[in-house]
Amino acid sequence: QQPVQSPQAVILREGEDAVINCSSSKALYSVHWYRQKHGEAPVFLMILLKGGEQKGHEKISASFNEKKQQSSLYLTASQLSYSGTYFCGTEKIGTDKLIFGTGTRLQVFP
Amino acid sequence: GAGVSQSPRYKVAKRGQDVALRCDPISGHVSLFWYQQALGQGPEFLTYFQNEAQLDKSGLPSDRFFAERPEGSVSTLKIQRTQQEDSAVYLCASSLVSDRNTGELFFGEGSRLTVL
Repeated sequence: QQPVQSPQAVILREGEDAVINCSSSKALYSVHWYRQKHGEAPVFLMILLKGGEQKGHEKISASFNEKKQQSSLYLTASQLSYSGTYFCGTEKIGTDKLIFGTGTRLQVFP
Repeated sequence: GAGVSQSPRYKVAKRGQDVALRCDPISGHVSLFWYQQALGQGPEFLTYFQNEAQLDKSGLPSDRFFAERPEGSVSTLKIQRTQQEDSAVYLCASSLVSDRNTGELFFGEGSRLTVL
């Protein structure tokens, strides 16, 4: 079952912050985050493996609450290059496949 | 090669034609995945290989879809008797195997299929 992301779309001014949420109805082993720019392939941002784990990538970080089966992606001091569609990918316990979420379209304006 | 390579990048087929889409994964990557991405949607899982073994094909929409990876490297996704609803971008991704979880996926540029 496809994880649900919220919000569906975000519009930001450069320098503003945003949070994107990902929620699954299944027990999860890991959560991945990817960014896809229009007409391009999805690009890996990070993997989170443990409950409560938080990881960072420049000014982009994420948390994973294993008990709630939720993950959040935090974008701070957004840059124009952050524009794109963000997908979470969830991996259920006992499987090796990644199921992608509904996507969140982020637009950053000067 | 340096990255995942897919061909053709664009394919226009008449309804009822058969198509074959090729994926060349990163050398040494054991896992290979196919996803279907409709316009404005997230990638939807189709099938997954570990070496030449197809471990999961639960996402293939119908028996018109067939995937193979006979030598554990290059993979081909074949769609028989194409229908308009097959129009989408078909993404291939490869990954190093991890004992614990699906590793980082490296995606190709995709093959955009348009069925008229």
